[in-house]
Amino acid sequence: ETGVTQTPRHLVMGMTNKKSLKCEQHLGHNAMYWYKQSAKKPLELMFVYSLEERVENNSVPSRFSPECPNSSHLFLHLHTLQPEDSALYLCASSQAHRSSYNSPLHFGNGTRLTVT
Amino acid sequence: KNEVEQSPQNLTAQEGEFITINCSYSVGISALHWLQQHPGGGIVSLFMLSSGKKKHGRLIATINIQEKHSSLHITASHPRDSAVYICAVRGGYSGGGADGLTFGKGTHLIIQP
Repeated sequence: ETGVTQTPRHLVMGMTNKKSLKCEQHLGHNAMYWYKQSAKKPLELMFVYSLEERVENNSVPSRFSPECPNSSHLFLHLHTLQPEDSALYLCASSQAHRSSYNSPLHFGNGTRLTVT
Repeated sequence: KNEVEQSPQNLTAQEGEFITINCSYSVGISALHWLQQHPGGGIVSLFMLSSGKKKHGRLIATINIQEKHSSLHITASHPRDSAVYICAVRGGYSGGGADGLTFGKGTHLIIQP
């Protein structure tokens, strides 16, 4: 039990589909993150919700849309994806402070996404 | 922007061997993380350190701030240690992005029985 739960574990979708990834944390953390992990590449930060503020990486295409209804739940809405979006999508949480994000990250097991 | 280099990229060893994985970075940091990722995908945080040395069971992490270098050691390695080990650094300033973490590409470790 990692304390961070992601669903689904695996997802196959066509380029015209709309789907959502879900992340839930039971650790009482106030920051949640979406990361993308492609083969042979380092983890890439996509989005952060922290202290009720959303911080967005401007290089993330608009076909990825995050939603954070409360501090325990995080979604990633997907639509009209491309095959190159196939990757492992990891959610993480941490306890962030206003002047520092220097606390351990707790990761979920990820969603393996395949776009056909 | 910090550059994080890990070595080796791949490592295969026999059970019981002493393992060392290295991480170098280019710019001063406030903290360095060692993470472990098993084949299923989930990532576990092993250590977060900003100076000196930390030990947890058979795992030891060291960092040399002056040399901008960290090592992860595994003593008496076991097949269950087989995983990808990822180094990540957090900048010493707040302007490095929301989470400020820069990740290495990881070291793929296989321990054979």
